[in-house]
Amino acid sequence: QQQVKQSPQSLIVQKGGIPIINCAYENTAFDYFPWYQQFPGKGPALLIAIRPDVSEKKEGRFTISFNKSAKQFSLHIMDSQPGDSATYFCAALISGGSTLGRLYFGRGTQLTVWP
Amino acid sequence: KAGVTQTPRYLIKTRGQQVTLSCSPISGHRSVSWYQQTPGQGLQFLFEYFSETQRNKGNFPGRFSGRQFSNSRSEMNVSTLELGDSALYLCASSLETGLLEQYFGPGTRLTVT
Repeated sequence: QQQVKQSPQSLIVQKGGIPIINCAYENTAFDYFPWYQQFPGKGPALLIAIRPDVSEKKEGRFTISFNKSAKQFSLHIMDSQPGDSATYFCAALISGGSTLGRLYFGRGTQLTVWP
Repeated sequence: KAGVTQTPRYLIKTRGQQVTLSCSPISGHRSVSWYQQTPGQGLQFLFEYFSETQRNKGNFPGRFSGRQFSNSRSEMNVSTLELGDSALYLCASSLETGLLEQYFGPGTRLTVT
């Protein structure tokens, strides 16, 4: 059972556009939500992360919006560039208990930014 | 500071064989987690080690095992390889067990023929 559901599966935008990737979860015990970026042939790289006590976090051109009541969070990429073309994964983690440290990943979104 | 390193980067094995993959975490990091990445199942957690002890295990058969050494380096072993074990195996390190930021290595691409 997929604990974190991610959409869309793929996304194509023009340079300068604002792609939005959405994730949803059911387990309210999740208390840390990172986003990873993966280029072909590389491992996932940590982009940005949020805790559920804040509704938004910005780091450079990347913004996470978090809706605790809806159990949803999303990644926005401002002024997207061709170099942002990659696969993006959302994830969730419970910072305590028996699943300590285990990341639950969404299925990924393949983003293509056209010049 | 050097990132997470994994060796080998590519491996081809035959069904029934066994394989050992190695991971060196970022200097100072003591927790190592392993994930399997496949097109069909995505990224799935295998296990996590901290201070040479397995702290957490995912839903994989007993053919998948691992260990961690006193210098925090980790190995994972897959015995009696099956075609379905073909995947990218990723190692992630963090400072302490359960600490939130996990940093991934480039992975080992395993192909089972």
